[in-house]
Amino acid sequence: GQQVMQIPQYQHVQEGEDFTTYCNSSTTLSNIQWYKQRPGGHPVFLIQLVKSGEVKKQKRLTFQFGEAKKNSSLHITATQTTDVGTYFCAGDRSGGSNYKLTFGKGTLLTVNP
Amino acid sequence: GAVVSQHPSWVICKSGTSVKIECRSLDFQATTMFWYRQFPKQSLMLMATSNEGSKATYEQGVEKDKFLINHASLTLSTLTVTSAHPEDSSFYICSARDRAPYEQYFGPGTRLTVT
Repeated sequence: GQQVMQIPQYQHVQEGEDFTTYCNSSTTLSNIQWYKQRPGGHPVFLIQLVKSGEVKKQKRLTFQFGEAKKNSSLHITATQTTDVGTYFCAGDRSGGSNYKLTFGKGTLLTVNP
Repeated sequence: GAVVSQHPSWVICKSGTSVKIECRSLDFQATTMFWYRQFPKQSLMLMATSNEGSKATYEQGVEKDKFLINHASLTLSTLTVTSAHPEDSSFYICSARDRAPYEQYFGPGTRLTVT
């Protein structure tokens, strides 16, 4: 079945350092979504990427979707303590009536103030 | 953004009893809702996809007789854990999919502890 691999599993940074998490799918995706889950909380939708090679920015967050639509990355510039949490990518292969997201294992980001 | 509520937020039950968890989309109609299970420090595992007015589609390895899902309306889906056992203790999260751009909104989750 479809697998979505995400690395690293954990990342600890000093406040102000950059952070990147990578996501790779075994199959071509219709779109990829990114979520953030704070400790004790539930996943919150961040963004959806649909087009090959797409790049989207949200303030200090930059999301990329690979040309082959099999990989994606999330980059945070100058991390802050509020960025702490687990970042999940989730791939959708169907693009239609069989929509189903497959989540990566997530990257837990901790930030040292 | 859209809001999905879940009730209860936590529940403790005795082994052998059944527990019902409700998932509601508060400000939009969700033709499709999803039920996930999450163990501590792990990813979300999709249990089943629930479509309004039809039977749920269960993922491989998920017992449909144990995890009963009902999606009676466009705003409500329920998950009933029947004859719960301690190994069913987990964090259960529902989500609902809005129309285009097809964002998926998660409920706050229900922490189930079976003693």
